[in-house]
Amino acid sequence: GENVEQHPSTLSVQEGDSAVIKCTYSDSASNYFPWYKQELGKGPQLIIDIRSNVGEKKDQRIAVTLNKTAKHFSLHITETQPEDSAVYFCAAPKAAGNKLTFGGGTRVLVKP
Amino acid sequence: SQTIHQWPATLVQPVGSPLSLECTVEGTSNPNLYWYRQAAGRGLQLLFYSVGIGQISSEVPQNLSASRPQDRQFILSSKKLLLSDSGFYLCAWTMGSLSGNTIYFGEGSWLTVV
Repeated sequence: GENVEQHPSTLSVQEGDSAVIKCTYSDSASNYFPWYKQELGKGPQLIIDIRSNVGEKKDQRIAVTLNKTAKHFSLHITETQPEDSAVYFCAAPKAAGNKLTFGGGTRVLVKP
Repeated sequence: SQTIHQWPATLVQPVGSPLSLECTVEGTSNPNLYWYRQAAGRGLQLLFYSVGIGQISSEVPQNLSASRPQDRQFILSSKKLLLSDSGFYLCAWTMGSLSGNTIYFGEGSWLTVV
């Protein structure tokens, strides 16, 4: 089955700096890669996703890059703000399946 | 627009007592439904998923069960809770195959077994 690994597990950055989280996946047939942000005590919320027919996608201060050959994708947050502090999860589905496999999560702390 | 609701939001139950967590989705039909569990400070573990009424797939052997009595209703149950059942339970939904559709999560239910 799909195996998703996420690094780092914790990330502390100064406000205004950039944060990068990386994930690798094992199923080469996977073609959809979402990123979720989870604030304390709440359910994860989708912040950005990318499909396998593109290599990069941006939405204001966040961007996701995908390298299908190497089977990894990354989340980039620029000009970080204190409200970016949360746990971030990457995920990948089994090809044509009904299940999503999540990475272990990255706890991001943005220091003012 | 579609919305997902799950309840109760928090629950404290003694060991050996039963459990029932409910989840409903509004604004869509025939969704795929999921129950995830998240231990404190940990990742998301898929417990059950359902592609239709009465169709339940279990991902891991455990003390819990799931049912889907109606198209947009998903219930997580236990007859006798264990201490290890404590955690944050998340209901989620999506349309069709996950290969192209976003999964949406509810706000979660905190379960503490004492």
